[in-house]
Amino acid sequence: NAGVMQNPRHLVRRRGQEARLRCSPMKGHSHVYWYRQLPEEGLKFMVYLQKENIIDESGMPKERFSAEFPKEGPSILRIQQVVRGDSAAYFCASSDRTGHGELFFGEGSRLTVL
Amino acid sequence: QKEVEQNSGPLSVPEGAIASLNCTYSDRGSQSFFWYRQYSGKSPELIMSIYSNGDKEDGRFTAQLNKASQYVSLLIRDSQPSDSATYLCAVKRGNQFYFGTGTSLTVIP
Repeated sequence: NAGVMQNPRHLVRRRGQEARLRCSPMKGHSHVYWYRQLPEEGLKFMVYLQKENIIDESGMPKERFSAEFPKEGPSILRIQQVVRGDSAAYFCASSDRTGHGELFFGEGSRLTVL
Repeated sequence: QKEVEQNSGPLSVPEGAIASLNCTYSDRGSQSFFWYRQYSGKSPELIMSIYSNGDKEDGRFTAQLNKASQYVSLLIRDSQPSDSATYLCAVKRGNQFYFGTGTSLTVIP
């Protein structure tokens, strides 16, 4: 009964490199959400995806950030040309398609940009 | 106006007391309401969900929902030091979730 699985748990990148964060939703869940959290701050919504579709990306920066949730495989949040300000915890969460579907979070991926 | 508002705290209560956490939301179309607990350096953990007006109890936790007042609260009875965490209120409307900024709770032994 695996929960939401995220990897890597910790990622260190130098400025200008790319970061790829992966998320496998809970079994039976078809909705994936990505959030960013800076230390001592609240969760910031980034993007909401269903299989092969981006439903809402209103919280995602227009440049350098992209997300996908392919038909097969995990959802991926990609950050190109990382900068120090991208250092944060990135949480993935998943939900099923029912009206009251609860949201469950993964352990998070902590990105450090040197 | 923010979708979800919480008092940021910090809230301190002595061990064994009742901790009361409050949350208001702006959109009457919100249909589901959740409380998450987040320990420092960890991910949010769902502890309560409530969908209809009234109270819902689970162990030491009671969630209260008043849709007319657009208000949801969480009561923690017999507070323990292990309850010290940040508590996030969330509401769901359609397929989107809206989070408050969280209330920091410290239970003093």
